Amino acid sequence: EAGVAQSPRYKIIEKRQSVAFWCNPISGHATLYWYQQILGQGPKLLIQFQNNGVVDDSQLPKDRFSAERLKGVDSTLKIQPAKLEDSAVYLCASSRVDGGGAETQYFGPGTRLLVL
Amino acid sequence: KQEVTQIPAALSVPEGENLVLNCSFTDSAIYNLQWFRQDPGKGLTSLLLIQSSQREQTSGRLNASLDKSSGRSTLYIAASQPGDSATYLCAVPNSNSGYALNFGKGTSLLVTP
Repeated sequence: EAGVAQSPRYKIIEKRQSVAFWCNPISGHATLYWYQQILGQGPKLLIQFQNNGVVDDSQLPKDRFSAERLKGVDSTLKIQPAKLEDSAVYLCASSRVDGGGAETQYFGPGTRLLVL
Repeated sequence: KQEVTQIPAALSVPEGENLVLNCSFTDSAIYNLQWFRQDPGKGLTSLLLIQSSQREQTSGRLNASLDKSSGRSTLYIAASQPGDSATYLCAVPNSNSGYALNFGKGTSLLVTP
């Protein structure tokens, strides 16, 4: 089965510019996550979708970040305007729950953002 | 709020050594615990998932244990190889928001030939 796809893989922008990232989850996975991973840190949840509804966006800086998951499949994450501290790897993950109730998350390769 | 801590932050060992990576968490009411591997510039690969009712899981040269009562997990790597060099991350689900994961900062492992 195809994995989680993300694009672009790398992006360099200047502060105050806008940027958007795209994620295509594994087919059939209802849950989609966006995580932010700053260098030297573990990933931190930004937003979680269940189908096309938001489950948790408590850590999303809503004054500059937005995300959507139209039709419950692909998702986009946007930053407008970007700040220097937004430089990080943005990871998308999708998940399924098996018959035993265990949930496994599958991660994409990430988008590495550098804000100058 | 769940806090996940990993020790050590970095580790360098010669090839062939057995090694242990440590993970601790503050809230013992977890569904499960996962260990991930992250190679430079790459995404995360799940290595082992231990359910809350389990004490350990094994996959090849990897063995992960879980002690919920003490809030600890260990990842044991036997007979380390240079190809094991990567960052290893421990994660537990956020009990307040379903399955979203709380990660530690990771242990950066270097296995030298």
